Amino acid sequence: AQSVTQLGSHVSVSEGALVLLRCNYSSSVPPYLFWYVQYPNQGLQLLLKYTTGATLVKGINGFEAEFKKSETSFHLTKPSAHMSDAAEYFCAVFQAGGSYIPTFGRGTSLIVHP
Amino acid sequence: GAGVSQSPSNKVTEKGKDVELRCDPISGHTALYWYRQSLGQGLEFLIYFQGNSAPDKSGLPSDRFSAERTGGSVSTLTIQRTQQEDSAVYLCASSPGGRELFFGEGSRLTVL
Repeated sequence: AQSVTQLGSHVSVSEGALVLLRCNYSSSVPPYLFWYVQYPNQGLQLLLKYTTGATLVKGINGFEAEFKKSETSFHLTKPSAHMSDAAEYFCAVFQAGGSYIPTFGRGTSLIVHP
Repeated sequence: GAGVSQSPSNKVTEKGKDVELRCDPISGHTALYWYRQSLGQGLEFLIYFQGNSAPDKSGLPSDRFSAERTGGSVSTLTIQRTQQEDSAVYLCASSPGGRELFFGEGSRLTVL
């Protein structure tokens, strides 16, 4: 069985500061990993994904994430937060070669202070 | 439109009534998912359709919940005899089969 843990239900940063949202997973086989963003009253939008190949993945809006197999992590970062980054962020995992039903983390709400 | 379309966007109903929520996936997407999002609870998987295969209903919380997908396209999620704990946002997503999900904006259900 696979699981996803997002540490911190809320993360608060100042505008211009580094954003770090944590995601750890458990999977018995190599995973496919995703980050989604949800703005208020909207559906989820894909930020970035890791399937195979380069472990550092770049996404939209200046976000990136690094797959670290040894740490079973896929943390999301952005060098400089903007007010418009305030949203809910979800990490999701699929098992490669396994079920087509992803497991989502509980989400992290990013709060950006001026 | 090009995205996943859900209707209604908001639904207020009385306890005990039945409700139907509709999802129009992206054309050509073979997979369709329903999730429930309650405040502070993350995404709860409900049901998964893939092509003409039997759906995976393992996430449906009770027999009051059912879903169908007609012609491999439009899907309807039906909740019978609604309860207050059914109040949530119901999200639909479709996928071309490559594991990337495309979500609609959701249907917000309020049961009074």
